[in-house]
Amino acid sequence: EAGVAQSPRYKIIEKRQSVAFWCNPISGHATLYWYQQILGQGPKLLIQFQNNGVVDDSQLPKDRFSAERLKGVDSTLKIQPAKLEDSAVYLCASSSGGRLGELFFGEGSRLTVL
Amino acid sequence: DAKTTQPNSMESNEEEPVHLPCNHSTISGTDYIHWYRQLPSQGPEYVIHGLTSNVNNRMASLAIAEDRKSSTLILHRATLRDAAVYYCILLNAGKSTFGDGTTLTVKP
Repeated sequence: EAGVAQSPRYKIIEKRQSVAFWCNPISGHATLYWYQQILGQGPKLLIQFQNNGVVDDSQLPKDRFSAERLKGVDSTLKIQPAKLEDSAVYLCASSSGGRLGELFFGEGSRLTVL
Repeated sequence: DAKTTQPNSMESNEEEPVHLPCNHSTISGTDYIHWYRQLPSQGPEYVIHGLTSNVNNRMASLAIAEDRKSSTLILHRATLRDAAVYYCILLNAGKSTFGDGTTLTVKP
């Protein structure tokens, strides 16, 4: 079974530029998550999708971050404009859903903002 | 979301058992206890989960207190490859919150 795919693995940009990350979840997984992980901290949930609907985006900085999940499969997370404090690893995870559905994570996209 | 509390770091010797504790005093009756671990430069990976009863799988064992306010992840024989950050989370209807986890160091 193919895992969660993310790209790019690494991205370096200057502040005020924009960046986009892509995630392809495990086939058939209805729930998709984007997390931000700052060095030395645990993952922080940015947004959770159920199929192509948003379940929770309470911690997404909506003035600069946006995410979509077209057709309930792939997802894109965009940051525009980027700030220095956005330097982090952006993790995508998927789950078959339900109360006990385990989370499957991708390897993450490491963003450095200069 | 219910929160979990874990020690920042723990050390173990290779081939010895490791007991990683987690407190979740505000757990609700429908929260599942999940454990994940994160190796350097990788995303977290699932280790084990449980609801009320102790659980065993090929990676580890999970001991859950009778009142469910705490749990312990048990690695029966630590190896150098078990050095990682271990996260205990409560999962309910797909919702969860990660803390900062426990960094496990395994000494040869």
